[in-house]
Amino acid sequence: GAVVSQHPSRVICKSGTSVKIECRSLDFQATTMFWYRQFPKKSLMLMATSNEGSKATYEQGVEKDKFLINHASLTLSTLTVTSAHPEDSSFYICSAHPTQGNEQFFGPGTRLTVL
Amino acid sequence: GEDVEQSLFLSVREGDSSVINCTYTDSSSTYLYWYKQEPGAGLQLLTYIFSNMDMKQDQRLTVLLNKKDKHLSLRIADTQTGDSAIYFCAEGGGYNKLIFGAGTRLAVHP
Repeated sequence: GAVVSQHPSRVICKSGTSVKIECRSLDFQATTMFWYRQFPKKSLMLMATSNEGSKATYEQGVEKDKFLINHASLTLSTLTVTSAHPEDSSFYICSAHPTQGNEQFFGPGTRLTVL
Repeated sequence: GEDVEQSLFLSVREGDSSVINCTYTDSSSTYLYWYKQEPGAGLQLLTYIFSNMDMKQDQRLTVLLNKKDKHLSLRIADTQTGDSAIYFCAEGGGYNKLIFGAGTRLAVHP
């Protein structure tokens, strides 16, 4: 089946630093990838839609300069949290949509803790 | 706007059936999904139903869709301790974004 990986699975960083999270589709090509944020005991909140070769589309209230998204290839999208602050601590999950089919495949998530 | 609502918690005895309910608002959704999330993990697609269907069965899982009432349910037969997790329903499909409910935490006790 389709597999999506995320790296790193956990990251702890100091306030003010930037953190990059990678999302890879391992055995399929994904024209579209999605980035979600999940707060403890809460639902997933869609942050942005990432399309290969074009600018990401951000949801209302999500700062595009804060959360930089790059989708440089059909198998890789990256999310960079710039100048991270403790309130950015969260569980970030990506999903990838194959070029054919109706299903999104989710990565295992990245736990970000900002001290 | 689009909204998906679920009850937050369900407790069942091992061996009983679990029924998790969900309501949604977007009548144009093509597919409706059920995902499972275990602690500290990502989401696993359990099943989905096309909007022109009213029922889908997959082994222990039965999905019922009442499109008129915009109500979706997931029934897990013979619930086991390994079914303990958070279950999310979501509406959307294809290249559209998924709108998730808040998740129902299922606790299975002996």
